[in-house]
Amino acid sequence: QTVVTQEPSLTVSPGGTVTLTCASSTGAVTSGYYPNWFQQKPGQAPRALIYSTSNKHSWTPARFSGSLLGGKAALTLSGVQPEDEAEYYCLLYYGGALWVFGGGTKLTVL
Amino acid sequence: EVQLVQSGAEVKKPGESLRISCKGSGYSFTSYWISWVRQMPGKGLEWMGRIDPSDSYTNYSPSFQGHVTISADKSISTAYLQWSSLKASDTAMYYCARGYGESYIDYWGQGTLVTVSS
Repeated sequence: QTVVTQEPSLTVSPGGTVTLTCASSTGAVTSGYYPNWFQQKPGQAPRALIYSTSNKHSWTPARFSGSLLGGKAALTLSGVQPEDEAEYYCLLYYGGALWVFGGGTKLTVL
Repeated sequence: EVQLVQSGAEVKKPGESLRISCKGSGYSFTSYWISWVRQMPGKGLEWMGRIDPSDSYTNYSPSFQGHVTISADKSISTAYLQWSSLKASDTAMYYCARGYGESYIDYWGQGTLVTVSS
């Protein structure tokens, strides 16, 4: 059973910078896992932020960026805004058309 | 404008069957996959499977294979998720989402809440 692991929770101050990570039980995450990142606020559907490691959708704010960091996929928020408080999920592709979500990171802006 | 509009909330009894839908508009429905994602109450997202509406080719997560069926009718730009015998543990919000190849999932439906209770 493939497991994708994210930090359960992180706290950041307004205006600060925070990095969320996404690890795979199978080993280092590479670009071949096509990491995607999503934001979900309470009572809302998820919203796509990043695809294929570092590409932004047309609606993705500039303060969000994606990368690979130390064998993990990473989502960095720079200049965090109060409205960035949400749950963040990564999604990795494992081949054979199998995708697996991470468990999610609850980001608190305090 | 790309939209995925899902069918309304359902309340069912254990053992009953159910089919929920996801209608795409504002884009070429057969050019993108449709994935289904489960979110149990208070829990995270789980990728269930996907369908290529152009030929109805499907892939399932091992966790959901055999428990649900994904289908599509490209003539009406609609994808479906169905159960033949619901269980209480199927109670969840279900989302459809549009995807392209291996690289991305972008637009999401608003979700369909399925409640299974005796």
